[in-house]
Amino acid sequence: QKEVEQNSGPLSVPEGAIASLNCTYSDRGSQSFFWYRQYSGKSPELIMFIYSNGDKEDGRFTAQLNKASQYVSLLIRDSQPSDSATYLCASTHGGSYIPTFGRGTSLIVHP
Amino acid sequence: DGGITQSPKYLFRKEGQNVTLSCEQNLNHDAMYWYRQDPGQGLRLIYYSQIVNDFQKGDIAEGYSVSREKKESFPLTVTSAQKNPTAFYLCASREQAGVSSYEQYFGPGTRLTVT
Repeated sequence: QKEVEQNSGPLSVPEGAIASLNCTYSDRGSQSFFWYRQYSGKSPELIMFIYSNGDKEDGRFTAQLNKASQYVSLLIRDSQPSDSATYLCASTHGGSYIPTFGRGTSLIVHP
Repeated sequence: DGGITQSPKYLFRKEGQNVTLSCEQNLNHDAMYWYRQDPGQGLRLIYYSQIVNDFQKGDIAEGYSVSREKKESFPLTVTSAQKNPTAFYLCASREQAGVSSYEQYFGPGTRLTVT
């Protein structure tokens, strides 16, 4: 059974701080990893993807992948109240038709 | 503008009625998916389709049916056999189903309430 695990939270951070969201996966064959942001009542939107070990930066967001330890993380620098949302982690396996989603971590950024 | 549209945004039905949720994409994506999301829960896969005229059951297909007669369209019917149909339904598409690097794009969702 392929699984992606996330702490449901909520993770509460003050405005301006770094928010660190973590995700672990069970399938060693997983190749690609995606972070989606989902505001309450809205659909998920892709914010980051990563395929290779190491860090990938895009603006205030950094995705980190460690395939040996089977974890993926998302760092949000200078967190803003508008970052308050649920963050979904997903993985795909080469040749798989179905991404595996975690249940999401709720992030609250308070002023 | 390329994207995925779902209609309607909100849908209300009486128990015992079948209802069809629309999903259309103009991204020329091969694969399409239907998910259900309940409050505080993750995404649960209902059905998916890799190509036209072919689809497979996901984890919670009971009480649902789909068709894929055109590449751009993947409607979902919630039948009266679905015991607890009230939920937020999300349609997604992906460029090629079997390539791991391709991300999914989601439509805006349909919130179905059955009373």
